[in-house]
This record gives sequence, C-alpha cells and structure tokens, in this order.
Amino acid sequence: DAGVTQSPTHLIKTRGQQVTLRCSPISGHKSVSWYQQVLGQGPQFIFQYYEKEERGRGNFPDRFSARQFPNYSSELNVNALLLGDSALYLCASSSIGGYPEKLFFGSGTQLSVL
Amino acid sequence: GESVGLHLPTLSVQEGDNSIINCAYSNSASDYFIWYKQESGKGPQFIIDIRSNMDKRQGQRVTVLLNKTVKHLSLQIAATQPGDSAVYFCAENIGTGNQFYFGTGTSLTVIP
Repeated sequence: DAGVTQSPTHLIKTRGQQVTLRCSPISGHKSVSWYQQVLGQGPQFIFQYYEKEERGRGNFPDRFSARQFPNYSSELNVNALLLGDSALYLCASSSIGGYPEKLFFGSGTQLSVL
Repeated sequence: GESVGLHLPTLSVQEGDNSIINCAYSNSASDYFIWYKQESGKGPQFIIDIRSNMDKRQGQRVTVLLNKTVKHLSLQIAATQPGDSAVYFCAENIGTGNQFYFGTGTSLTVIP
C-alpha cells in the first residue's frame, strides 16, 4: 500500500516568490496535517484539514494557506517567501480528524529560499 | 504555553545494549503521546503511542512509560541495533484534533 506521498521532493525559490506543495494521504485517510521542520528542530504544526475543512491552525502568518480536495489530497501554499521559510515541509495523514490518533508522515518537501 | 523538551540531545549506546530516551512535557492537559523516529532525509516514522489513561505500553523491542505526576515520558529500546540510529521525537496532543507539539529530538547513535 502506498504511504503518504508528497511532491516535489526538493524545491528552490527566491525571496518574494510563491510556492505550492502537494500531498496525497494514505488511501482511506480523510485528514491531512501540514508541519514545518527547520533543520535541527522538531516539526511544527501549521494546519490540519478534515473533510475539506480547516480543523486547526498553528502559529504561522497569513502567507501560509492550505486546502483539501474532494479526494482528500491537499496543497500548502506559501506566498511572499522569506529566507526563514526554508525548511522541510511534512504532510501527515490520519484516518479521522476529530480525535487524537497516530499520524503517518510523508518524506517531505525540502524548500530552499535564496 | 505548551512545550515538549528532551533531556539529552544526543545519546550513544553500544550495539545490543538497551537505550532510554527521555522527554518532559509541560502541559498537564496533554492526553496522547507519540514517539517518532526520523532518519536522515525521511519523514518521522511512528514507533509507539500511549494515552494518558495508561502508564506503560509495549511494542516490539520498545516500551513507552508515562509518568503524569512529573509530566515525563520515556522510550526504552531493547537490544539496540545499528538500524535504530536516528533522531527520536516525542510528540504531545492536548486533545485539539490532530495538532501535535514536538520536542527538539534526541539523536541516538548505535556503536557497533
């Protein structure tokens, strides 16, 4: 069975640009969460989506947005990129969204902002 | 605010020995905890979880202990193998959906 898939695996952008990252959850999973992991630190929660609705938002600026599609895949958008946005962006899926349960992570998208 | 911290940023053990990785959490409302393993270039991999109504849970070669009195979590790995070398994170959930708070991580190195 396929796990969580993310694309692209690596991305290089310049300051001020916009980026879109994509995620496909495990088949049958309806909840997708996004995390940012800066080098040397643990992942930090950005968003959770369940049944196409936002169920949680972390402490990130409005430049960060996301959405979930009817097939439960998701996109994370970041506008007006800053150098500090350079990080590994992780997507995680879980079967339901309203009760704490284990998250299954993809391998992430490594974003470098120059 | 919530915080999840690890006592030791690095840990080196001999192959075959047991490893213990510790984690402190500050939010007494946290009711679900997960240990993840992350290898270089990969996403976090689920190891074991525990809910706050339990003190101990065992998996294959791993045991998680939860001490709610002192807000402490530990991961024990039996007969540590070279493949166990990775960064280990504890993550806590305070019951708000699937929003988890991760610690900085402990880097485990297994010496052959």
